[in-house]
Amino acid sequence: QKEVEQDPGPLSVPEGAIVSLNCTYSNSAFQYFMWYRQYSRKGPELLMYTYSSGNKEDGRFTAQVDKSSKYISLFIRDSQPSDSATYLCAMSLDSNYQLIWGAGTKLIIKP
Amino acid sequence: DGGITQSPKYLFRKEGQNVTLSCEQNLNHDAMYWYRQDPGQGLRLIYYSQIVNDFQKGDIAEGYSVSREKKESFPLTVTSAQKNPTAFYLCASSMGAGTGSSPLHFGNGTRLTVT
Repeated sequence: QKEVEQDPGPLSVPEGAIVSLNCTYSNSAFQYFMWYRQYSRKGPELLMYTYSSGNKEDGRFTAQVDKSSKYISLFIRDSQPSDSATYLCAMSLDSNYQLIWGAGTKLIIKP
Repeated sequence: DGGITQSPKYLFRKEGQNVTLSCEQNLNHDAMYWYRQDPGQGLRLIYYSQIVNDFQKGDIAEGYSVSREKKESFPLTVTSAQKNPTAFYLCASSMGAGTGSSPLHFGNGTRLTVT
């Protein structure tokens, strides 16, 4: 079993829809949770960061951590074609540890 | 503009040849990393360096080598001992360890194809 599981997709939704992307993990000691966005043939870029549990909102994006279920989510409201990318979740034990990555979910927003 | 430059974007090599991938950053970051990305798998850490002249093996260091002679540069050599070298290679840097409080900044990758 992988430490971090992420459905590879592709997930295809119409423009304007609410998108929900998810990762599950097995190590209950993870404390830092991140979402990176990767456009085709580019490097990933940090989208959202959450420490421990709870929600964090930034514009159209909301990151949610449920440590009791070992589950993290990224919600995108009013999705745009420019949101079409691969979304990678990543997490770590503490600030001195390296990140463990999900495989990424490919998202396609249809105009 | 500050950033990370990886070159070349595409690289083709014959089996049995060593090849060096370039990574340069002008962000004044202390830490630099090399990741490998394969379809259907998460990013896997090859090597990382938190200070000049020092580096540590990541999860999949076999068949790879690095050097960190300058703060700005962290080249990766893929040796002939790497059994499956065809992949997308990503270089990254950060002020500190790779957490959200010190996010990773990535280059745009080098796609290596070995035949």
